[in-house]
Amino acid sequence: EVVLTQSPATLSLSPGERATLSCRASQSVGNAWLVWYQQKPGQAPRLLIYGTSNRATGIPDRFSGSGSGTDFTLTISRLEPEDFAIYYCQQYDTSAITFGQGTRLDIK
Amino acid sequence: QVQLQESGPGLVKPSDTLFLTCSVSGNSINSNNWWVWIRQFPGDGLEWIGYIYSSGAVHYNPSLKSRVTMSVDASKDQFSLIMRSMAAVDTAIYYCARKPSDVPYFDYWGQGSLVTVSS
Repeated sequence: EVVLTQSPATLSLSPGERATLSCRASQSVGNAWLVWYQQKPGQAPRLLIYGTSNRATGIPDRFSGSGSGTDFTLTISRLEPEDFAIYYCQQYDTSAITFGQGTRLDIK
Repeated sequence: QVQLQESGPGLVKPSDTLFLTCSVSGNSINSNNWWVWIRQFPGDGLEWIGYIYSSGAVHYNPSLKSRVTMSVDASKDQFSLIMRSMAAVDTAIYYCARKPSDVPYFDYWGQGSLVTVSS
């Protein structure tokens, strides 16, 4: 099973700042198989990025994804108030789908 | 607009069996999608439970495979989860979701159903 480790656990930033969230895999993950979700309190996770760098429908272009192999990054270029939430990475392989433990993005 | 809605008991006793159903609207369950169960533990961790195709083909999380059964009722556009031998550690929000075939992500989710395991 591929273990995904996200860092930091909590990130405190102000609106307008840039956020960089990391997702590290215990073994190599194909670029096509790395996904990011955003979750707000009381809601289900929402698809944000798929295939490492492709934004889902309706996702603003301030969100971008990058990386390869075992190291992946979600970047929010300029934080808006609605971006403060928990972010999860997820990988797919033929044996099991796994999620990272999440990064909580808080307002500073 | 694709919508999914979970239904089931909010409380089950230790060692009991959990039965959950997900009703799908806005998309036929016979479409080219897998139908998924995911749970979220207190403290926010997410765990994939498994998914099922309309044909009945299934993929289960290896760690839960011995306790889980999924089924589809295409006539009702519903799919179901059975989880046996429930324990306190199974307390979680259970989500149903959709995974289009040949992609690695879940694009539509239900609102979630809180299941508490307690005597």
